Amino acid sequence: SSELTQDPAVSVALGQTVRITCQGHSLRSYYATWYQQKPGQAPVLVMYGKNYRPSGIPDRFSGSSSGSTASLTITGAQAEDEADYHCNCRDGSGTVFGGGTKLTVL
Amino acid sequence: QVQLQESGPGLVKPSQTLSLTCNVSGASISSGGYFWSWIRQHPGKGLEWIGYSDYTGITYHNPSLRSRLSISVDMSKNQFSLNLSSVTAADTAVYYCARVSSGSYYFDHWGQGTLVTVSS
Repeated sequence: SSELTQDPAVSVALGQTVRITCQGHSLRSYYATWYQQKPGQAPVLVMYGKNYRPSGIPDRFSGSSSGSTASLTITGAQAEDEADYHCNCRDGSGTVFGGGTKLTVL
Repeated sequence: QVQLQESGPGLVKPSQTLSLTCNVSGASISSGGYFWSWIRQHPGKGLEWIGYSDYTGITYHNPSLRSRLSISVDMSKNQFSLNLSSVTAADTAVYYCARVSSGSYYFDHWGQGTLVTVSS
């Protein structure tokens, strides 16, 4: 199966903008999906498709894609955004997840 | 409100079969339009897709687990199950069940997860 690569850790100052990236060959064919996971909790869907947010997800979250790289951008990061973020994408076998990015809000 | 809840033993001996069930409420597995999936997370690691099944029994498996894996759906009980055979310590993880939109392939509802430890 294919792979998705994420930076292990990213930090952002409170109120600033941060971009979390995901790279992989499958992203040339399929949109990325993004999940937020806080310690001890199940992942929560935050972004899917071209740039769609589920109900209840703040509009400071946005998604984009270019070539084999997908990005999740948080504009005006809040303390409650500190979490692990996992990208996910279809591939030839089914679906695949990235290794996750730990976001720290300073 | 769609809810999923995993159940099964928290401790499995090496070489035995890990068996988990996911009970679905607030949605009917037989209504179609979704895959019913298992995902696991090794301690301190990222998510790993295990496989999923639709209500007809069509399944897709992670190639790295395919030889040991079985996923089945029981529409009469509105639940689906995971069986992973010949387990080792490397199968110790938190196991999640989740619903996947078969149109857009996103996991929109997740169970809370259950820790399964493989140890003698």
